[in-house]
Amino acid sequence: RKEVEQDPGPFNVPEGATVAFNCTYSNSASQSFFWYRQDCRKEPKLLMSVYSSGNEDGRFTAQLNRASQYISLLIRDSKLSDSATYLCAVNIERAGNMLTFGGGTRLMVKP
Amino acid sequence: DARVTQTPRHKVTEMGQEVTMRCQPILGHNTVFWYRQTMMQGLELLAYFRNRAPLDDSGMPKDRFSAEMPDATLATLKIQPSEPRDSAVYFCASVTGGLAGAEQYFGPGTRLTVT
Repeated sequence: RKEVEQDPGPFNVPEGATVAFNCTYSNSASQSFFWYRQDCRKEPKLLMSVYSSGNEDGRFTAQLNRASQYISLLIRDSKLSDSATYLCAVNIERAGNMLTFGGGTRLMVKP
Repeated sequence: DARVTQTPRHKVTEMGQEVTMRCQPILGHNTVFWYRQTMMQGLELLAYFRNRAPLDDSGMPKDRFSAEMPDATLATLKIQPSEPRDSAVYFCASVTGGLAGAEQYFGPGTRLTVT
């Protein structure tokens, strides 16, 4: 079993739809959680960190469920420009800044 | 606008040849990571350095891969000899070390094709 798992998708949604992705992690000692966005043939870029209390940034909401060991990303009112691959990343504190990434979930927003 | 730079951006080589990839981290970032990304395996950590010292290279095939950081402005990843299965995109990322929640900044990657 991989340490960090995601549904690869693709998720095909119409513009304006709400879409949610989950990411499960296996190490209960995981301390920090992130969502990265990767456009086709580009490098990953940080979308948002995930805090214990959940956090929101515009149309994007991230949640952490420690009991069930997953994080989620909700995108409301999806735009064509949201089409990308979304990678979750997990940091185990003892390992410093080292991140373990999930395989990514591909999102395609259609007109 | 500070960013991580990588060279070359693309490399096509024949099996058995040596490949060297270079990374210049963001000035002031003391932690550097090398990742490999393929469709099958996703983004895998190969090695990482803090203050130029290797901290973890357990993800790197030791027989053919080597990673070094000769100075604070240059990290290198070398494959010798290269094999077709090494074909992937290799990313370098840097971060200010010691902050668990700090953002990793990725370079644009080196797209390697080994024929």
